[in-house]
Amino acid sequence: AQSVTQLGSHVSVSEGALVLLRCNYSSSVPPYLFWYVQYPNQGLQLLLKYTTGATLVKGINGFEAEFKKSETSFHLTKPSAHMSDAAEYFCAVSDPALTGGGNKLTFGTGTQLKVEL
Amino acid sequence: DTAVSQTPKYLVTQMGNDKSIKCEQNLGHDTMYWYKQDSKKFLKIMFSYNNKELIINETVPNRFSPKSPDKAHLNLHINSLELGDSAVYFCASSQDGVRAYNEQFFGPGTRLTVL
Repeated sequence: AQSVTQLGSHVSVSEGALVLLRCNYSSSVPPYLFWYVQYPNQGLQLLLKYTTGATLVKGINGFEAEFKKSETSFHLTKPSAHMSDAAEYFCAVSDPALTGGGNKLTFGTGTQLKVEL
Repeated sequence: DTAVSQTPKYLVTQMGNDKSIKCEQNLGHDTMYWYKQDSKKFLKIMFSYNNKELIINETVPNRFSPKSPDKAHLNLHINSLELGDSAVYFCASSQDGVRAYNEQFFGPGTRLTVL
């Protein structure tokens, strides 16, 4: 069974500061990895994903994440936070060994990012 | 153009009632999903349909019955609503339910409050 751990349910940064949101996964095989963002009262939007190949993945809005197999991590970063980045961020995994049983995303518990002036 | 839409956006009802939430996607995707987000914002998959066929059923009480009249629509009917059913329900779709790397596109959610 897969699981996702997001350390820190709340992260607060100053505008212009580095954003680092942590995600670790547990899986018998390296999973596919996703970061989704949820703005208040909205649905989820994909920021970026890792499937295969280059382990540093760039996404929308200046975010990027690096897959580190040895650390079973997929942390999300952004060099300079903007007020508009304030939202809930979810790390999720899916199983590449899927055998017709459906594409099931397993989510972490989310990290609320607050950006202060 | 809205890619994944849900109605209603808000639903307030009494315990014991039966209610439905509707979802439509205009992306031409084959697979649709229902997720439940609880008060702590934890998201968990409930069901998935691929081309009108149920492919994921995550031990959800049988008071919840999904129905997919065609691959662009996935509705969720809930019987005998309980207080614990209060949550935000998200519909999502993906190109197919076979390739696990496919992005899922989410609707805006339906906030269900059971009194």
